[in-house]
Amino acid sequence: DIVMTQSPDSLAVSLGERATINCKSSQTVLYSSNNKNYLAWYQQKPGQPPKLLIYWASTRESGVPDRFSGSGSGTDFTLTISSLQAEDVAVYYCQQYYNTPPGFTFGPGTKVDIK
Amino acid sequence: QVQLVQSGAEVKKPGASVKVSCKASGYTFSSYDINWVRQATGQGLEWMGWMNPHSGNTGYAQKFQGRVTMTRNTSISTAYMELSSLRSDDTAVYYCARWVSKAFDYWGQGTLVTVSS
Repeated sequence: DIVMTQSPDSLAVSLGERATINCKSSQTVLYSSNNKNYLAWYQQKPGQPPKLLIYWASTRESGVPDRFSGSGSGTDFTLTISSLQAEDVAVYYCQQYYNTPPGFTFGPGTKVDIK
Repeated sequence: QVQLVQSGAEVKKPGASVKVSCKASGYTFSSYDINWVRQATGQGLEWMGWMNPHSGNTGYAQKFQGRVTMTRNTSISTAYMELSSLRSDDTAVYYCARWVSKAFDYWGQGTLVTVSS
C-alpha cells in the first residue's frame, strides 16, 4: 500500500503570511498514461467533516479561495496558503487515489494555527 | 444541492454491531460510489471501503475485511455501513463521502459511534 506522510505535524503562521504544507507518498501517484497526479487535499475544521480543496494535485475545487494552491508531482507535493486568514485554522490532509484497489490512503494531517 | 445525511449517534457494547445510514439527495444516487471514512477523537482519517450503489459491488480496506458490510437501498437513496464485533478502539466518528473519480467531493455530517461496556 502507498503510505502518505506530511510535514510539519503543525505550524503557526501570522495572519497574512504564507503557510506551506508538504506531503510525500511512498511511491509515485503520477499516472503516466494521462500525466495526472492522483492526489487530493482536504481541510477539516473542528467538529466538521473534511472539505475538498484540491484534486489532481493542483486543481482547485469550485468555490475554494485562490489563496489555496497545490503543486508537486510524482511523490512530493505541497499545499500553499498564500495569505493566511483566520478562517483557515484547520487540519489539512493529503490523500492518494492512485492505488485503488486496495484503497485510498490519507496523510496523518497538518494542523495550521495563527501565530 | 447535494447532501449526504447520516443517522444519529450510537452507543454500543463490545462485541455488538452497529449500522450507520447515509441518505443521499440532490443527485442521482446510483451514479457515484459511496465511501466510508472514520476518525477517532483527535486522530486522522481512516478509509474503510467503498460501495457502488448501482451494482452493489463493494471493496473493503484489509483492516476491516470480515467485519464490515456496505449495502444500499436504491429506492430511498440510502447507503449503509455495518461494523460487527465492535471493540473500544472502534469508537470514532464515521463519515460517508461521495467519490467522483478525482476526490471525495461531498461528505456526510458524521456519526459518532461509542463502544463502551
